[in-house]
Formats: sequence, C-alpha cells, structure tokens
Amino acid sequence: GDSVTQTEGLVTLTKGLPVMLNCTYQTTYSPFLFWYVQHLNEAPKLLLKSSTDNKRTEHQGFYATLHKSSSSFHLQKSSVQLSDSALYFCALTVSGGNYKPTFGKGTSLVVHP
Amino acid sequence: EAAVTQSPRSKVAVTGGKVTLSCHQTNNHDYMYWYRQDTGHGLRLIHYSYVADSTEKGDIPDGYKASRPSQENFSLILELASLSQTAVYFCASSWGRDTQYFGPGTRLLVL
Repeated sequence: GDSVTQTEGLVTLTKGLPVMLNCTYQTTYSPFLFWYVQHLNEAPKLLLKSSTDNKRTEHQGFYATLHKSSSSFHLQKSSVQLSDSALYFCALTVSGGNYKPTFGKGTSLVVHP
Repeated sequence: EAAVTQSPRSKVAVTGGKVTLSCHQTNNHDYMYWYRQDTGHGLRLIHYSYVADSTEKGDIPDGYKASRPSQENFSLILELASLSQTAVYFCASSWGRDTQYFGPGTRLLVL
C-alpha cells in the first residue's frame, strides 16, 4: 500500500537558521503531496501542496518541490521564525486506486530565540 | 475557506458508555474523514466516506463506527468507550482527493 515517511520526529533550531523537513513517499499511482501545519491546540491546516513534477511551490516563506524521480517532497524555509514552531505533517493522496489518504507521523519543529 | 464544525468540543465519558461525536461541513465536499490524535503524535485515520449513506474503514477502525446520513454530516460512534480511546478527534472534509479542511477537534476523556 501507499506510505509516507518523515524521518525526523523533532527538529530544534535557532531563529534565523534554515530548515529542511524530509518527506518521502511510496505509491504506484500518480501522487498528490501536501504539507499540513498544526500549531499547539489548533487544527491542522494546509501549508503547501503539489502534484506537478519538479515545480517549486511556495507559501508563507516555506517552499517544496515534488520530485517524482526520488519520491520526495521536502519542506524548506530559509530563515525560521519563533512562530514556525509547530507540528508538520506530510500527506499523500493518489489518482486512481483505492482512495485513502496517507499521513506521515509528523515532525515537531521547535524554534528557539 | 471550508467550514467544518464539530460537537461537542470536549467530552468526559465513562468506560463502557456510548459516545457520539458529530461533524458538519457547509462546503458541499464529497469526502469526510475522522482522525484521532494522541498527545504530541500524528493523525490516524479511523473512518472516511465519499458519499452519503456509505462509510469506509480507515487504518484503525476497531472500536469505532461511523455514520454519514447526509453529505453535510458525519458522525463517529464509540459503542463501548474504553480508556485507550482518550484522544483528540478531528473531522475533516475535502473535494475529492484535494486539500482536507479540518474541524477544531473534540477532546475526549474516558474515565
């Protein structure tokens, strides 16, 4: 079946530094990739999404590029802020097949002053 | 933006009791989902539905039932609540396989 892997459970950074959160996936169908962000005591909400190979997508300073050749959709930001501290989920849906969305386990990002 | 509401927002239940969590969406989305989230952890899919009067099992359906009586409403039912079902429950909706819009969550404490 489909799967999503987020290798980092916790990432701790100092404000102003760059960050990359890893996301790789496995599917035999055409993929749609999403990054959701969840701040403390809030609901998850969409940060980025893409289904286009090798095209960078950006929102609120975050960016990601879907690379189908390596099955990856890593989330990056050049300079993290205190307000970026949150839980980040990578998610996969597919075109075709028995539809069921697949979420990664999430990466907690903690930004220190 | 999609509007998904959940009720109740929090609930205390007794072990062995019946619990019903309700979800309502106003954006005419076809897909609806129920997830549980344990403190500091990820989202796990319990049940989902892509059409009224039909539900599908997610990854952790045991101990839960779901009901989709209309396109707008999706309920999660715990027939015999257990301590292990203490968690935050999120409902979500989407148009097809596109972005999921989440409700505010329901905090369930089973004693």
